Amino acid sequence: SQKIEQNSEALNIQEGKTATLTCNYTNYSPAYLQWYRQDPGRGPVFLLLIRENEKEKRKERLKVTFDTTLKQSLFHITASQPADSATYLCALDSRTGGFKTIFGAGTRLFVKA
Amino acid sequence: DGGITQSPKYLFRKEGQNVTLSCEQNLNHDAMYWYRQDPGQGLRLIYYSQIVNDFQKGDIAEGYSVSREKKESFPLTVTSAQKNPTAFYLCASSKGQQNPLTEAFFGQGTRLTVV
Repeated sequence: SQKIEQNSEALNIQEGKTATLTCNYTNYSPAYLQWYRQDPGRGPVFLLLIRENEKEKRKERLKVTFDTTLKQSLFHITASQPADSATYLCALDSRTGGFKTIFGAGTRLFVKA
Repeated sequence: DGGITQSPKYLFRKEGQNVTLSCEQNLNHDAMYWYRQDPGQGLRLIYYSQIVNDFQKGDIAEGYSVSREKKESFPLTVTSAQKNPTAFYLCASSKGQQNPLTEAFFGQGTRLTVV
């Protein structure tokens, strides 16, 4: 069956450290993968998109990698801040039954000051 | 400002009632989506539409219905057939399959509670 898996346990890190979140997928062949941030009671907000032929993408303190052989994406936040505390969702495209975007369950990140 | 608007923010439904959640976008996006989010869980796709007057079922369409009569609007009706409708509902839009390498924009969500 098709699955997108993110760490269900919350990630707790100290301010200034690098947070690394994992997204694994099964039985998908995405052309790209996206990462979103969601704050409690709000809709997700887009952060980064990485294509299947890209190994790495950066945006300010954010870095995403995409390994289509391992079927895995890693999302890094360097020099993390308490304001980075949120849930981070990965998403990918699926073309089975029509083009659509499928989301993982998300990983909750807590950054302590 | 361009964006996507959901209303209402909070909605209460009595047992056996149908309720309709509104979703409007002025981004000129072709694709629109409805997701359901339960506490501690990810977004599950209810329905999606790539073009006006066409829509497809997602993974959990039972008990829901949609229409796409206008490009800007994609209302979701939660029918009495949906046995566990209490959840956070999110609407999203994107440029769609004509421009797939772009992100989805989300509304602020509607929290539906059965009373």
